[in-house]
Amino acid sequence: AQTVTQSQPEMSVQEAETVTLSCTYDTSESDYYLFWYKQPPSRQMILVIRQEAYKQQNATENRFSVNFQKAAKSFSLKISDSQLGDAAMYFCASNYGGSQGNLIFGKGTKLSVKP
Amino acid sequence: EAQVTQNPRYLITVTGKKLTVTCSQNMNHEYMSWYRQDPGLGLRQIYYSMNVEVTDKGDVPEGYKVSRKEKRNFPLILESPSPNQTSLYFCASSFGTETYEQYFGPGTRLTVT
Repeated sequence: AQTVTQSQPEMSVQEAETVTLSCTYDTSESDYYLFWYKQPPSRQMILVIRQEAYKQQNATENRFSVNFQKAAKSFSLKISDSQLGDAAMYFCASNYGGSQGNLIFGKGTKLSVKP
Repeated sequence: EAQVTQNPRYLITVTGKKLTVTCSQNMNHEYMSWYRQDPGLGLRQIYYSMNVEVTDKGDVPEGYKVSRKEKRNFPLILESPSPNQTSLYFCASSFGTETYEQYFGPGTRLTVT
């Protein structure tokens, strides 16, 4: 079965500091996409960043970047210059290129930001 | 504004009373999907639809029905709700599968007593 694992149920970071959230996945597919979604207290699911598996270059979106290690099946999210508004649940997900379009989600990491 | 809407946002009901959660998108997306979110489990797919009149089961379809009569709408039907269907439900849509970002609705908090 395709799986996505987030091993850190909770993380904490000081405002303005950098934090890295971990994600590993398991698939035999060669072509797939990986995503990080943010879920603030409003519960809205917000796409933070997307990585295409065939691209070796790590994706970056402003203060958010990923460290994509395809051989190790690892996809971590780095948040730089953390802000209070970054406090949320973060979900790692993948679609594995299947026709079902099913996003396989990890169980999430709750990020707290301390002022 | 491009968006996915769901109604109702909150619902408390009793066991066995049929209910429908509506989902509508205004982006002309072909693909639509329903997920449920439970603490410690992340989001799991219930049903999905590749286009009008084309639907299929996701990972946790038991106790749910869907229909896709119009491209923009994808209602989720619970014909006989049970307490284990108490959850947060999300509808999502995209232009297609694989490469496209899925846009999520605001969520529906359902409580079945």
